Amino acid sequence: AQSVTQLDSHVSVSEGTPVLLRCNYSSSYSPSLFWYVQHPNKGLQLLLKYTSAATLVKGINGFEAEFKKSETSFHLTKPSAHMSDAAEYFCVVSQNTGTASKLTFGTGTRLQVTL
Amino acid sequence: DGGITQSPKYLFRKEGQNVTLSCEQNLNHDAMYWYRQDPGQGLRLIYYSQIVNDFQKGDIAEGYSVSREKKESFPLTVTSAQKNPTAFYLCASSSVFGANYGYTFGSGTRLTVV
Repeated sequence: AQSVTQLDSHVSVSEGTPVLLRCNYSSSYSPSLFWYVQHPNKGLQLLLKYTSAATLVKGINGFEAEFKKSETSFHLTKPSAHMSDAAEYFCVVSQNTGTASKLTFGTGTRLQVTL
Repeated sequence: DGGITQSPKYLFRKEGQNVTLSCEQNLNHDAMYWYRQDPGQGLRLIYYSQIVNDFQKGDIAEGYSVSREKKESFPLTVTSAQKNPTAFYLCASSSVFGANYGYTFGSGTRLTVV
């Protein structure tokens, strides 16, 4: 079985300060991990993905995430927040079983960016 | 531009009615999925389809039905048996079944029971 826990349901940062959104996962197999972003009443957009290559993954809009197997974590970071980053972020895990697989979503972290 | 189109954007249903949500993709993706999103619960898988004329139940399939008669289309019917249908519904597709290749999401349909 696989699961993902987003440790904060809501994060508030000032514009220009760093962003940290935390995610821990559980998986019986080597996982693939993703971060998606959702703006209000919109679909989900893929920010970045880890699929057993480099452990530091760079995504769009200046975001990056580091896969730490020993800590079973995949935290999302950005050096400097922008107002347009305000959205909901989902950490997602998928098992690499070689057979049919599906995504398991975290419950989401709402990022608020203030002036 | 390739993508996924969901319609309508907003849908209102009376108690006891069936409604169908449309999902069309022009990405030539084999696999398609329906998710339900409720506040504070993330996304939950309703149904998925790996190929035409084949589909499988996800985690919360009760009260829903789907069809996959064409590669491009994967409509979802919310039946009167679904006890709490008010939610945001998202359709997605992938080139190969399995998340390693990434999913493309539509912009969603918000269903409200009135």
